[in-house]
Amino acid sequence: KAGVTQTPRYLIKTRGQQVTLSCSPISGHRSVSWYQQTPGQGLQFLFEYFSETQRNKGNFPGRFSGRQFSNSRSEMNVSTLELGDSALYLCASSLEQGKAFFGQGTRLTVV
Amino acid sequence: DQQVKQNSPSLSVQEGRISILNCDYTNSMFDYFLWYKKYPAEGPTFLISISSIKDKNEDGRFTVFLNKSAKHLSLHIVPSQPGDSAVYFCAASGNQFYFGTGTSLTVIP
Repeated sequence: KAGVTQTPRYLIKTRGQQVTLSCSPISGHRSVSWYQQTPGQGLQFLFEYFSETQRNKGNFPGRFSGRQFSNSRSEMNVSTLELGDSALYLCASSLEQGKAFFGQGTRLTVV
Repeated sequence: DQQVKQNSPSLSVQEGRISILNCDYTNSMFDYFLWYKKYPAEGPTFLISISSIKDKNEDGRFTVFLNKSAKHLSLHIVPSQPGDSAVYFCAASGNQFYFGTGTSLTVIP
């Protein structure tokens, strides 16, 4: 069974630009969550989608948005990029309570 | 406000000895706790979990202990091996996952 796939793996963008990251969950998993990881901050929860609906949202500004498609694939969009948005963005899919499976992440660098 | 805290950013242990990683949480409504292991340039991988109705769960060399009255979680690795060197995150499950900031474990051969 294929794992969680995130694309692209690495990305360099300029301040003010926007970016879209993609996540394909494990087949059969309907819940997809997004996290931002920065040094010293651990994993910060961005949002969770379930059956194409945003079910939970973390404390991030509105520049961070997402969506989920009918095949459970999810995209995350960040608009008007800031230097502080440079981070590893992780996507996780889950089938049951408590056990989330993570992708390898997208390393975003904003210059 | 950090609801899950790992107060030790790093830990070094000799191979063969016990590694104890600690985690504290603030919300008594959390009902499920997990430990994840992360190598550089990879996503976290699930290690072991425990439900709030239990106080111990064991899986091979890994044991998780939960002390609900103290709101404290710990992961014991016995015996520690060099391949265990990684960053370990604890997480608590409520309406979302809350992660600690991680503890970097180094097992010295």
